[in-house]
Amino acid sequence: GQNIDQPTEMTATEGAIVQINCTYQTSGFNGLFWYQQHAGEAPTFLSYNVLDGLEEKGRFSSFLSRSKGYSYLLLKELQMKDSASYLCAVVDSNYQLIWGAGTKLIIKP
Amino acid sequence: GAVVSQHPSWVICKSGTSVKIECRSLDFQATTMFWYRQFPKQSLMLMATSNEGSKATYEQGVEKDKFLINHASLTLSTLTVTSAHPEDSSFYICSARDAGDYNEQFFGPGTRLTVL
Repeated sequence: GQNIDQPTEMTATEGAIVQINCTYQTSGFNGLFWYQQHAGEAPTFLSYNVLDGLEEKGRFSSFLSRSKGYSYLLLKELQMKDSASYLCAVVDSNYQLIWGAGTKLIIKP
Repeated sequence: GAVVSQHPSWVICKSGTSVKIECRSLDFQATTMFWYRQFPKQSLMLMATSNEGSKATYEQGVEKDKFLINHASLTLSTLTVTSAHPEDSSFYICSARDAGDYNEQFFGPGTRLTVL
């Protein structure tokens, strides 16, 4: 079967750095997305990785290792507004999105 | 670009009534649209995939006679929840895939359905 694993919840301090991991086992791979979702809102796009390595975009960076079936989202200089759920999703061989359950990130002052 | 709208944003209805939710791609053609349901503190659950001009493909456990999907044009898909019951109360989100980009999905803002 297809499976996406990410931690259920993480807590970090304002101004710090946090890394959210995602491991996947899917039938085929056509890329991995990270989305941010605030409570009561739809997901918003953060990043897309299809090749191995690190993609940096401002305070957010995303890393992919296809051989290990592993990705992480790195958030720097955390702000209170970063409190949200972070969803990892993999595009499988049928170009369908396979979703992780999401990681709820709690930022404390 | 790549904006998807949903209407209504929220709806409250009585048990037994039907509710229609619209999903529109505003600045691109969406050959494929997806309908998701999300219960509180849970991840997105794919309900169905609809391709323009053909019947929707429903995920296992989703009743196609209860959740009617119509994708009549490249910019509009509708989800009708028929004979809604309180257990259908949820956050319904649509997404659309650009005909020219087979990977990314663009999400609508979601519709909060509450059935009394």
